[in-house]
Amino acid sequence: EDQVTQSPEALRLQEGESSSLNCSYTVSGLRGLFWYRQDPGKGPEFLFTLYSAGEEKEKERLKATLTKKESFLHITAPKPEDSATYLCAVHVNYGQNFVFGPGTRLSVLP
Amino acid sequence: GAVVSQHPSWVICKSGTSVKIECRSLDFQATTMFWYRQFPKQSLMLMATSNEGSKATYEQGVEKDKFLINHASLTLSTLTVTSAHPEDSSFYICSARDRKSSTDTQYFGPGTRLTVL
Repeated sequence: EDQVTQSPEALRLQEGESSSLNCSYTVSGLRGLFWYRQDPGKGPEFLFTLYSAGEEKEKERLKATLTKKESFLHITAPKPEDSATYLCAVHVNYGQNFVFGPGTRLSVLP
Repeated sequence: GAVVSQHPSWVICKSGTSVKIECRSLDFQATTMFWYRQFPKQSLMLMATSNEGSKATYEQGVEKDKFLINHASLTLSTLTVTSAHPEDSSFYICSARDRKSSTDTQYFGPGTRLTVL
């Protein structure tokens, strides 16, 4: 069974304190791994797509990396506005839909 | 680019009534749209996959007669919650894939908060 887990469940950082979020997956075949940001009461906002092990993508303070079993979302010098739930999703080879992880709730304190 | 809208953003209805939620891709055409449900502090649960011009594919455990999905055009999909009950109260989110994109990225709408009294 395809499975996506994320850790930690929740993370509190001080402003400027860099850290990483983890997304681990067990799937039969990976077509792509996606990172989204979701603010309370809103739909997920697309951040990155990763397709192959070793691939990296960057956007402002965020950097996503991919290995054969997991992905990391690195947050460098976070600001309070980075506070949100970060979701990863895996698109498997045999279907159209995504398998979402449970998310990591990030709080960045000023 | 890749903007998806939903209407209404929130709705309150009485038990037993039906509610229609619209999902539109504003600046692209979407042959495939997805409908999700999200409970507080939980992740997204896929309800169904909607393909333009054909019947929706429902996930296991989702009642197709209760959650009617219509994808009549390349920019519009609708979800109708029939005979709504309080347990149907939830946050409903749609997403769409750009038919011209080489990636499989799903772009999400802002969600619709349904409260059934």
